[in-house]
Amino acid sequence: TQLLKQSPQFLSIQEGENLTVYCNSSSVFSSLQWYRQEPGEGPVLLVTVVTGGEVKKLKRLTFQFGDARKDSSLHITAAQPGDTGLYLCAPRQDDKVIFGPGTSLSVIP
Amino acid sequence: GAVVSQHPSWVICKSGTSVKIECRSLDFQATTMFWYRQFPKQSLMLMATSNEGSKATYEQGVEKDKFLINHASLTLSTLTVTSAHPEDSSFYICSARVQGHYGYTFGSGTRLTVV
Repeated sequence: TQLLKQSPQFLSIQEGENLTVYCNSSSVFSSLQWYRQEPGEGPVLLVTVVTGGEVKKLKRLTFQFGDARKDSSLHITAAQPGDTGLYLCAPRQDDKVIFGPGTSLSVIP
Repeated sequence: GAVVSQHPSWVICKSGTSVKIECRSLDFQATTMFWYRQFPKQSLMLMATSNEGSKATYEQGVEKDKFLINHASLTLSTLTVTSAHPEDSSFYICSARVQGHYGYTFGSGTRLTVV
């Protein structure tokens, strides 16, 4: 099993600020997904990255997959209170989704 | 889009009783479903993979006799927490993979409280 790390674990920022969340492993991923989970709800898929070096944008969110496919980042521009939630990276492993420890983001109005 | 319905959304039970949680794929067939458990302020931990028509595959450290999984049809998987104890109190979430897609669809979760 791979050791999956996410940083930071917790993040509290003011509305309008930018932030970056990181996901790292010692293993190579065939693909990786980012999810956001709000309290009391199941996680919702944000994006899937497959190719090393790939960059995907979803409105104010920019996702990047590392060239070696061992790491990924999520950058949020001009954060909004609606971005508050738990951000989880999840590489595919043997057709299962194994979640990282998550980054809990709180955006203060 | 693909929807996974989970029921109940919350349940309170007495210690020693059993609780069944249902996970249904509403508009697609799911040969494989997954069950996760999430404690407060923690990430989701995969408990088991539920396979239609066959035995579930449990992750290391998960008691298969305590967490009974049945996947009798292509649209329904159930998780039964047997002889529940307060330490089983948690948020249980199911998911299913939609054929032809990379992503997995998740249910809205079940909050189990054992008193």
